[in-house]
Amino acid sequence: EPEVTQTPSHQVTQMGQEVILRCVPISNHLYFYWYRQILGQKVEFLVSFYNNEISEKSEIFDDQFSVERPDGSNFTLKIRSTKLEDSAMYFCASSDSGSGGASYNEQFFGPGTRLTVL
Amino acid sequence: AQKVTQAQTEISVVEKEDVTLDCVYETRDTTYYLFWYKQPPSGELVFLIRRNSFDEQNEISGRYSWNFQKSTSSFNFTITASQVVDSAVYFCALSEFRNNNDMRFGAGTRLTVKP
Repeated sequence: EPEVTQTPSHQVTQMGQEVILRCVPISNHLYFYWYRQILGQKVEFLVSFYNNEISEKSEIFDDQFSVERPDGSNFTLKIRSTKLEDSAMYFCASSDSGSGGASYNEQFFGPGTRLTVL
Repeated sequence: AQKVTQAQTEISVVEKEDVTLDCVYETRDTTYYLFWYKQPPSGELVFLIRRNSFDEQNEISGRYSWNFQKSTSSFNFTITASQVVDSAVYFCALSEFRNNNDMRFGAGTRLTVKP
């Protein structure tokens, strides 16, 4: 069964460093998402991406974040200058449809990358 | 904007008890989708169910059942004859039709099932 994969499973970085979290969505999916879950808290939407551009972003997704689909398979989240409060689990998700029509927008989640900022 | 409330932060039951996890939502959209996810201690998010706003029929899947009531904006989840393996954090989520790239999660309910 196709699944979303994420690498690395755990990333440790120093405050101020740049990190790139990688995701490989399900191959025929067109919509991609990043979510964040600070330890013990709820899952929060960060950004959605379609047709090589951001379709929506939350207030959390500020200028230090960026997303990219550098090739036909990867979807990345870059944090330019990490802060302590960026420590969280980051989930990637993909779906084969988004807004419009009667589509369900069922999002399939990856296993997450745990980011620890020291 | 849509909002999901899971008022129960933590629930503890003894194995074989039935347990209901509450979810109340707010949305201005007439078409929306509701979801439940399970997050076991390993951390991944496991999809359990999706329901669209036009389908109020309750659903049963094995020991799991869901009660969707638009009149009270609730989408509650019941586990019958709970087992230790059911111990996890359960999240309810809402996605609006006109904005369904943005899935909003509730705060989650931590369920502990003791042997």
